[in-house]
Amino acid sequence: AQSVAQPEDQVNVAEGNPLTVKCTYSVSGNPYLFWYVQYPNRGLQFLLKYITGDNLVKGSYGFEAEFNKSQTSFHLKKPSALVSDSALYFCAVRGETGANNLFFGTGTRLTVIP
Amino acid sequence: NAGVTQTPKFQVLKTGQSMTLQCAQDMNHEYMSWYRQDPGMGLRLIHYSVGAGITDQGEVPNGYNVSRSTTEDFPLRLLSAAPSQTSVYFCASSYTDRGLTYEQYFGPGTRLTVT
Repeated sequence: AQSVAQPEDQVNVAEGNPLTVKCTYSVSGNPYLFWYVQYPNRGLQFLLKYITGDNLVKGSYGFEAEFNKSQTSFHLKKPSALVSDSALYFCAVRGETGANNLFFGTGTRLTVIP
Repeated sequence: NAGVTQTPKFQVLKTGQSMTLQCAQDMNHEYMSWYRQDPGMGLRLIHYSVGAGITDQGEVPNGYNVSRSTTEDFPLRLLSAAPSQTSVYFCASSYTDRGLTYEQYFGPGTRLTVT
């Protein structure tokens, strides 16, 4: 069965420093992976996806993610954090069968400290 | 495009009451879904639909019904509300390509409290 783990409930980073939000996955076959961001009292916004191709995927707002098949990881990164990046981040994997529903991690709260 | 819209934004129910959460999308997406979000548990899939007239259960379907009479609308019905259904509910939709879904687009959510 497919699953996603986000090992850190909370990540704090100083403004201007690089940030990483970790995600590991488990799925049979080729993984289809997604990152979403949720700002307070809002719905989830799509940031980026990995379907196939380059292991470094670029997305919205300067975010990128690195796919590592051997480590089954899909970490979200940004070279220089902004205070406005403070939000809740979710990693998701597409399911193996049926309608290929998305399975989400429990989320990581990112706080960027001015 | 309005994207995915949900009504109402907030709702308070008493135990045993029923209600319908509305969801609509104007992107002509075949796939639509309902999630609930609870603290520390991420998003859990309640029901989903791969097209008009086709619905199926997700991870936590008990206490909820859905129907899909049009491509645009996917209402979620709470049959007899319970305090355990206090949550934030999100509707989402996705395009499909040869039967596969891709990134989902989410509505703004409905915050439901059951007393």
